[in-house]
Amino acid sequence: DAGVIQSPRHEVTEMGQEVTLRCKPISGHNSLFWYRQTMMRGLELLIYFNNNVPIDDSGMPEDRFSAKMPNASFSTLKIQPSEPRDSAVYFCASRPSSGSTYNEQFFGPGTRLTVL
Amino acid sequence: QKEVEQNSGPLSVPEGAIASLNCTYSDRGSQSFFWYRQYSGKSPELIMFIYSNGDKEDGRFTAQLNKASQYVSLLIRDSQPSDSATYLCAVKTGNQFYFGTGTSLTVIP
Repeated sequence: DAGVIQSPRHEVTEMGQEVTLRCKPISGHNSLFWYRQTMMRGLELLIYFNNNVPIDDSGMPEDRFSAKMPNASFSTLKIQPSEPRDSAVYFCASRPSSGSTYNEQFFGPGTRLTVL
Repeated sequence: QKEVEQNSGPLSVPEGAIASLNCTYSDRGSQSFFWYRQYSGKSPELIMFIYSNGDKEDGRFTAQLNKASQYVSLLIRDSQPSDSATYLCAVKTGNQFYFGTGTSLTVIP
């Protein structure tokens, strides 16, 4: 298995532009998580999906952020319009529904976003 | 108060020594406790996790839980330079995972 796949790996954009981050979870995993990591705030959970349904989006900073999971193998996190304070590394993670690794979240390589 | 608190460090230990990393959590109902290692520029990877019913040892790593004090620790024996990384403590409460901000560990050769 290729693990969790995220794209792009790096994104540089200007304030006000729309940014879309993409994630492909590990096949067979039914939970998907979007995190944001900064030096100041550490790793923050933005939203998580279970069986493609958003369960908790209380971590989404504001209406500029939205996330979708149209099917079990794909999710997007969109920021519109982007602001410099959105600059961070965004991680996607997935987790299986059962088995010996049930409690483990498998993280993707992250997308480093810079908003100028 | 944050759900999970860690001392950001940095923590420096000489090679071969025991490194002790700690975190506290706020919710007494937390069920599972995790330690992730994150190398600079990389994603977090799970080292080990424990449930609320006991400690665990895996090779050079030992995770311990003190429920009364709401305190989780990770001990790394015979520390190696390759252990130099940021260690993230995470706690599962219900279906939510809460991460600390991480402790930076440097093992000096």
